[in-house]
Amino acid sequence: DAGVTQSPTHLIKTRGQQVTLRCSPKSGHDTVSWYQQALGQGPQFIFQYYEEEERQRGNFPDRFSGHQFPNYSSELNVNALLLGDSALYLCASSLDLRGPRATGELFFGEGSRLTVL
Amino acid sequence: DQQVKQNSPSLSVQEGRISILNCDYTNSMFDYFLWYKKYPAEGPTFLISISSIKDKNEDGRFTVFLNKSAKHLSLHIVPSQPGDSAVYFCAASARFGSSNTGKLIFGQGTTLQVKP
Repeated sequence: DAGVTQSPTHLIKTRGQQVTLRCSPKSGHDTVSWYQQALGQGPQFIFQYYEEEERQRGNFPDRFSGHQFPNYSSELNVNALLLGDSALYLCASSLDLRGPRATGELFFGEGSRLTVL
Repeated sequence: DQQVKQNSPSLSVQEGRISILNCDYTNSMFDYFLWYKKYPAEGPTFLISISSIKDKNEDGRFTVFLNKSAKHLSLHIVPSQPGDSAVYFCAASARFGSSNTGKLIFGQGTTLQVKP
């Protein structure tokens, strides 16, 4: 049973460029959340997708957008990259956290390390 | 505003002794708390959780204690082993009726080093 997989694992971009990160959730999971983890900090919630719609959003600008596909996989897009966007981007999958089968537990991928120069 | 705080960035203990990691929260709507462990170059992995209707949950060497009146929880690892050396994150969620419903709010993490 494959867990959460993310790609790419590492990438380097320059300021102003755009980046797309991809995530495949754990088998059986229907909810995908994206987190940004800056160096020395805890993961910060970006947004969450359920049934192909953005259901929750954290305090991130509109430069951060996402998508969820019918197979529950997801993409995170960041436009007009800034130096401060350099971070580890974590994808986490779960069952619907508001649903009756919710355990509250998120399963994380290994992350995509983005460096903006 | 930091709703979940881990005030100790690091902790060092001797193998075989107890490790106690602490976490404080401010939002009284939080009703579910989790601890995650993270090794370098890996994503966080779930360790143990506790619902707000309990004050203690135990799983092997790991025990989480919740003090709702103080808005404080702690993770006890007994006995500590060198393989426990990692970054530990506390996280909280509100499963109903809150803007935090459906998402986890993480603390900054505590780096635990267990010395052989």
